[in-house]
Amino acid sequence: DAGITQSPRHKVTETGTPVTLRCHQTENHRYMYWYRQDPGHGLRLIHYSYGVKDTDKGEVSDGYSVSRSKTEDFLLTLESATSSQTSVYFCAIRNPEAIGGSHEQYFGPGTRLTVT
Amino acid sequence: AQKITQTQPGMFVQEKEAVTLDCTYDTSDQSYGLFWYKQPSSGEMIFLIYQGSYDEQNATEGRYSLNFQKARKSANLVISASQLGDSAMYFCAMREGRYTGNQFYFGTGTSLTVIP
Repeated sequence: DAGITQSPRHKVTETGTPVTLRCHQTENHRYMYWYRQDPGHGLRLIHYSYGVKDTDKGEVSDGYSVSRSKTEDFLLTLESATSSQTSVYFCAIRNPEAIGGSHEQYFGPGTRLTVT
Repeated sequence: AQKITQTQPGMFVQEKEAVTLDCTYDTSDQSYGLFWYKQPSSGEMIFLIYQGSYDEQNATEGRYSLNFQKARKSANLVISASQLGDSAMYFCAMREGRYTGNQFYFGTGTSLTVIP
């Protein structure tokens, strides 16, 4: 199993409060991703990183920011949480430098966030 | 336009029978990758199978095979000899670009129920 952990695994917070989710990997993979999963929408990309301090937006980035100061950690921040950000958040990693193979993404266990 | 379309929200299959889960994709890239992931009720995302756009043969992994029809832009997942443990959500995904494409696009998923 790929070494990916997410913390916290569950969080309940109030509207307007800041929230930070952490993704930690032990694989030294360059690419890291944050997705949200909602019923009827599948997984949608929020932000991704292709190296330390190198990040880019995905299709649903409004209201979210990210930071990557170390290879192993990718943080997702909701500056002021809203009820529409209630979701399950998945982190994923990928190694584009691997020789051959499919270069699939490996996913963390997910964080269930509820904004009340 | 949707990059990945899964038109079957729910499917039922008898145990030991084969089932096909549909996936169509939309890209103008010549080089891309197609993936299937399984998400059981426990929530983790499990990589199942990969097909590269230049691969001439359909991918197979044990009981999973990917029916790749490039001209029709379809990448259907075939599960042979269904088992009760196959009951899960299944997501089709695409990465544009051969190895260095950054973004993955996911479909909305198909819920498969295997009936004893």
